[in-house]
Amino acid sequence: DIQMTQSPSSLSASVGDRVTITCRASQNIYTYLNWYQQKPGKAPKLLMYVASSLQSGVPSRFSGSGSGTDFTLTIRSLQPEDSAIYYCQQSYSTPDTFGQGTKLEIK
Amino acid sequence: EVQLVQSGAEVKKPGESLKISCKGSGYSFTSYWIGWVRQMPGKGLDWMGIIYPADSDPRYSPSFQGQVTISADKSISTAYLQWSSLKASDTAMYYCARRGAASDAFDIWGQGTMVTVSS
Repeated sequence: DIQMTQSPSSLSASVGDRVTITCRASQNIYTYLNWYQQKPGKAPKLLMYVASSLQSGVPSRFSGSGSGTDFTLTIRSLQPEDSAIYYCQQSYSTPDTFGQGTKLEIK
Repeated sequence: EVQLVQSGAEVKKPGESLKISCKGSGYSFTSYWIGWVRQMPGKGLDWMGIIYPADSDPRYSPSFQGQVTISADKSISTAYLQWSSLKASDTAMYYCARRGAASDAFDIWGQGTMVTVSS
């Protein structure tokens, strides 16, 4: 299985800040990398796919980049509703493993 | 509206069997893979497996192979996840999700089914 490692595991930031979450794959996954947001008691929601494509309806303050083994999710101009856990997922090879998650808290 | 609607919460005893469901609507059910994802209490997301409803071809994570069975009935646009003998460690929220054709990502999620296994 491909291992996905996210950092940091948690972070705290203020409204208006720019936040970056990183995800590293244990092998080359090209751009087969997706990002999800999960709020308490809710199902995950797709934010980004193939590393840098914004899912329909997702605010443009979210962006993604990277290829190969290293990827980033950036949230610029943080909003209170961005408080959530963020997961990366590789879809290059089955099983499509997830990262362990990054908990984002708004100060 | 494209949606996946899952069956309700279950409380079972160890050793019992269980089959939970995920019904798709608002799109061509046979054209998209449906996956299952486990989330144990307070933990992250575990990819369990995926099925293509058109031919009921399932693929499993090695971690879940032999532990669960994934199936689908295209005539009623429904996918299933089943256990033959539940363990306490199966207590978790289980989500079904549609894998987008262009994105290869889970673009539509069900609301989740909470399974509690306790004696």
